Amino acid sequence: EVQLVESGGGLVQPGGSLRLSCAASGFIFSSYAMNWVRQAPGRGLEWVSDISASGGSTYYADSVRGRFTISRDNSKNTLYLQMNSLRAADTAVYYCAKGDASYFMAWGQGTLVTVSS
Amino acid sequence: SYELTQPPSVSVSPGQTATITCSGDKLGDKYASWYQQKPGQSPVLVIYQDSKRPSGIPERFSGSNSGNTATLTISGTQAMDEADYYCQAWDSSNFFVFGTGTKVTVL
Repeated sequence: EVQLVESGGGLVQPGGSLRLSCAASGFIFSSYAMNWVRQAPGRGLEWVSDISASGGSTYYADSVRGRFTISRDNSKNTLYLQMNSLRAADTAVYYCAKGDASYFMAWGQGTLVTVSS
Repeated sequence: SYELTQPPSVSVSPGQTATITCSGDKLGDKYASWYQQKPGQSPVLVIYQDSKRPSGIPERFSGSNSGNTATLTISGTQAMDEADYYCQAWDSSNFFVFGTGTKVTVL
C-alpha cells in the first residue's frame, strides 16, 4: 500500500523559512516523479512543484518560483520542500502527491503551514 | 496561464445523475483527471486519463473529455458522494492545473 506522510508544518512569521518533508513507502520511490500541492483554507487545490524521479529536473508554479525549492533523497525515500521568504498567501495545507504521468494517484494527509505574525 | 472552470455547485437527488463540467481551451487535447475531496480529508483520484477509474472507485463514476469540456458523471448518486470535486489537466507550459472546484450536494 502506498503511504505518503508529510511533516514539518507549523506557524512561521512572514519572511521566515520552513522545510517540509514527505516520507514515502509502498512503492519504488526512485521510479516516480513527486509533487507538492497546496490548499489555502476554504480554497481550491493549487499545484506547487514537481521533481523528476532522479531529482535532475524541477518545476515550480509562478507563485513560488524563486522562493521554494523541491528536492528528494531517494536513499531515504523522502521528498522535501524548502520554503523561504514566506508570505501570508502561502498559508495552506501542503500535500505531497505521487506523480503518475498526468495525474496524482496517491496523496498524503497534508501538513498545515500558517504564515502570520 | 491555463485555466479550468467548473460550476461552483451542483445539487442532485439521491439515485439521480450528477454531471460536473470542466471547461478549458482545447481541453480535449489533454488528459483530464478528477478528484473527490470530503471535508477534512485529502483528495482522492476518481477518474484519470479522461475516463479510467482507479481500483476501488465505484462504477457509478465515469468521465469523458472532448472539445473544450471534460465531464464527470455520477450515476445513481449516493449520500456518500457529497463532496468537492476538482478536475485537473496537464499542460506542458503550466504543468499541473486544477479546476476551480464544484461542491456536490445530495439533497
